[in-house]
Amino acid sequence: EIVLTQSPGTLSLSPGERATLSCRASQSVSNSYLAWYQHKPGQAPRLLIYGASSRATGIPDRFSGSGSGTDFTLTVSRLEPEDFTVYYCQQYGSSPYTFGQGTKLEIK
Amino acid sequence: EVQLVESGGVVVQPGGSLRLSCAASGFTFDDYAMHWVRQAPGKGLEWVSVISWDGGRTYYADSVKGRFTISRDNRKNSLYLQVNSLRAEDTALYYCAKDMGGIVVVATAIDYWGQGTLVTVSS
Repeated sequence: EIVLTQSPGTLSLSPGERATLSCRASQSVSNSYLAWYQHKPGQAPRLLIYGASSRATGIPDRFSGSGSGTDFTLTVSRLEPEDFTVYYCQQYGSSPYTFGQGTKLEIK
Repeated sequence: EVQLVESGGVVVQPGGSLRLSCAASGFTFDDYAMHWVRQAPGKGLEWVSVISWDGGRTYYADSVKGRFTISRDNRKNSLYLQVNSLRAEDTALYYCAKDMGGIVVVATAIDYWGQGTLVTVSS
């Protein structure tokens, strides 16, 4: 099983700042099959990034993904108030298709 | 518009069983794999299971293997999760979710999610 470790656990920033979230895999994720999701309380999760760097439909271009192998990054270039919530990475390169434990992005 | 509506969540005693259902609409159901993902209270997302477009391939998280069974009925545009031998740690909101890939691969990223159905395991 591939274990995904997200860091930091909590990230405190201000609107307008740049956020960098990390997702490290315990072994290489094949074909960079890595997705990022945004999850607000009481709502369904929202797909942001798939294939490590492809933005999902309707996702603003301030969200970007990068990385390969075992190290992946989600960057939010200019934080908007609605971006402060929890983010998860997920690998779908090999079953079981595990999620990271999440990073909470909070307003400083 | 894609809609996924889960049902079947209840309060059940440890060791009990139940079946979760998900009614899908707004897309060609039998063109896509489908997932179940859960979230325990105050915890993160946990992937549970996936089933291929035709039901021919299924995969499970180690934590549920041998106790949970995923299935689908493409004639009814419905997804199911049979959960047996329930434990307290199975208490969670269970999401039905649509895979974004087509019939070529079993699983890719998840592009649509339902609102979830709550399963509580308690005596």
